Amino acid sequence: ELKVEQNPLFLSMQEGKNYTIYCNYSTTSDRLYWYRQDPGKSLESLFVLLSNGAVKQEGRLMASLDTKARLSTLHITAAVHDLSATYFCAVDNGKLIFGTGTRLQVFP
Amino acid sequence: KAGVTQTPRYLIKTRGQQVTLSCSPISGHRSVSWYQQTPGQGLQFLFEYFSETQRNKGNFPGRFSGRQFSNSRSEMNVSTLELGDSALYLCASSLVAWAETQYFGPGTRLLVL
Repeated sequence: ELKVEQNPLFLSMQEGKNYTIYCNYSTTSDRLYWYRQDPGKSLESLFVLLSNGAVKQEGRLMASLDTKARLSTLHITAAVHDLSATYFCAVDNGKLIFGTGTRLQVFP
Repeated sequence: KAGVTQTPRYLIKTRGQQVTLSCSPISGHRSVSWYQQTPGQGLQFLFEYFSETQRNKGNFPGRFSGRQFSNSRSEMNVSTLELGDSALYLCASSLVAWAETQYFGPGTRLLVL
């Protein structure tokens, strides 16, 4: 059974700092997704990573995928308050299996 | 282009009742998936429909069922509601079942009393 683990579960960081969220999964998969969820809201697609070594960047967020290590990272550069949200990774094995989510709080 | 719509947005039911949730995908999208989100279990896949056929099903009891119509709209039904069914139910649509990107709707928040 495919398992997806994220860490940390909670991240409190100061504005301007950098940090990385990790997503480990237990079996091979062709696709890995990152989503953002604001409180009480739905999921917003951030990145789709399709191959080993894939790297995608949007603003202060950069996602990468290492299929051999079964690891994806979401790197936050120079965090700002607007990035405060919960971030989920999800692995596609015919259906999306989500990680536990990382609740990010950015403070001044 | 309009996004995924879900109705109703909020719902309060009592134990033992049944409920039907509706999802209208983005125009032209033929695949619809349903997810349940709870604080304890997180986001869990319920089922996926493509061209009116259920392609995949998650590990939920038979009380949870769904269907898809010829216009790609989908409904999910939960019978004999339990307190633990209180959750945010999210619907996502994609062009085809194997499409790279799913677009999520706003969700239906169900409270079972």
